[in-house]
Amino acid sequence: AQSVTQLDSHVSVSEGTPVLLRCNYSSSYSPSLFWYVQHPNKGLQLLLKYTSAATLVKGINGFEAEFKKSETSFHLTKPSAHMSDAAEYFCVVSDGGNTPLVFGKGTRLSVIA
Amino acid sequence: NAGVTQTPKFRILKIGQSMTLQCTQDMNHNYMYWYRQDPGMGLKLIYYSVGAGITDKGEVPNGYNVSRSTTEDFPLRLELAAPSQTSVYFCASSDGLAGGVSADEQYFGPGTRLTVT
Repeated sequence: AQSVTQLDSHVSVSEGTPVLLRCNYSSSYSPSLFWYVQHPNKGLQLLLKYTSAATLVKGINGFEAEFKKSETSFHLTKPSAHMSDAAEYFCVVSDGGNTPLVFGKGTRLSVIA
Repeated sequence: NAGVTQTPKFRILKIGQSMTLQCTQDMNHNYMYWYRQDPGMGLKLIYYSVGAGITDKGEVPNGYNVSRSTTEDFPLRLELAAPSQTSVYFCASSDGLAGGVSADEQYFGPGTRLTVT
């Protein structure tokens, strides 16, 4: 069965500095991996997804993530944080087909002016 | 195009009461889902549907029921509400074209915050 671990429950960065949100996964197959963002009192929105194509995945709002099979990681990065990036971020894994998605517990990103 | 809409936004139930959470999507998506989100936790799948008339259990189905009579609607029924069902409930949909649940982008509604006391 698949699982996902988000290594930090809370990350705080200054505006204009890089963002790194860490995610490790466990999967028996070739997984699909996603990052979703949730702004306060809103539903989740897809940032990016990996489905066995290029290992470096570019998403919306300048975010990207790199799939590293040897490290079973899918960390999310952004070169320069903006105040509007403050939100909860979820790493998500699936084993394929109609296997339901498994969500991490989330990482809350704070951006300091 | 409203996307995924959910009603109500908030609800307080007494223990033992029943209610239905409504979910509608206008994107003609085949797949629909119900999740619950507890504080400090990721989303847990309650039920999902791959088309009208077809539903299946997710990770935490106990205490809930669903039906899918149309493509657009996917109501979630709580029978005999319990405090353990206090949570935020999200409905989502996807088109099923990228290979099913595992590869599709899911579109989420704004959520229903339910408190059972």
